[in-house]
Amino acid sequence: GEDVEQSLFLSVREGDSSVINCTYTDSSSTYLYWYKQEPGAGLQLLTYIFSNMDMKQDQRLTVLLNKKDKHLSLRIADTQTGDSAIYFCAERRNQGGKLIFGQGTELSVKP
Amino acid sequence: KAGVTQTPRYLIKTRGQQVTLSCSPISGHRSVSWYQQTPGQGLQFLFEYFSETQRNKGNFPGRFSGRQFSNSRSEMNVSTLELGDSALYLCARSRQPQHFGDGTRLSIL
Repeated sequence: GEDVEQSLFLSVREGDSSVINCTYTDSSSTYLYWYKQEPGAGLQLLTYIFSNMDMKQDQRLTVLLNKKDKHLSLRIADTQTGDSAIYFCAERRNQGGKLIFGQGTELSVKP
Repeated sequence: KAGVTQTPRYLIKTRGQQVTLSCSPISGHRSVSWYQQTPGQGLQFLFEYFSETQRNKGNFPGRFSGRQFSNSRSEMNVSTLELGDSALYLCARSRQPQHFGDGTRLSIL
């Protein structure tokens, strides 16, 4: 099918690590993305990974890619209340610029 | 935001009307993609333009159309608006990595 799957909700305490998981569908996808959306706003690109990589780290963000299982995760270290938002994973298939998005994971950070 | 400007930010229309939304990527980016975001369907791909040609199209009715100009600016048009067209419409510059604009929030009364 065409669905990219994410769990819908995640709640963590401030200072803890958050891990948001995503399962994608197309093993030939070239780029995999993580976007953040705050209430009333557009999509902010957080990070992305090429399909020939298995890990990428960018400050507090770590992306892990398991191509065999088509599994992508985003780890946010030292989660802050400002990280509360909806996080979308997306895969870019080998069809130009089209992205297929997951349903989004709502991250709630409690003080 | 991140090199993509969408106008207007908010729009209110009534059923049956038509609407045109605009997207301008920063200079040098020749491709744009459009997406619709609704609470029920999530983020869905509408179409992609590259150098004034539609390169890819999503599964939307013919009421949804678009075009791109020689300066890379793109417009999206929806005719005969329906209540279900109420959504956030997002435009992205398609060159990787894809950055999105702030979107146009369209409300149909």
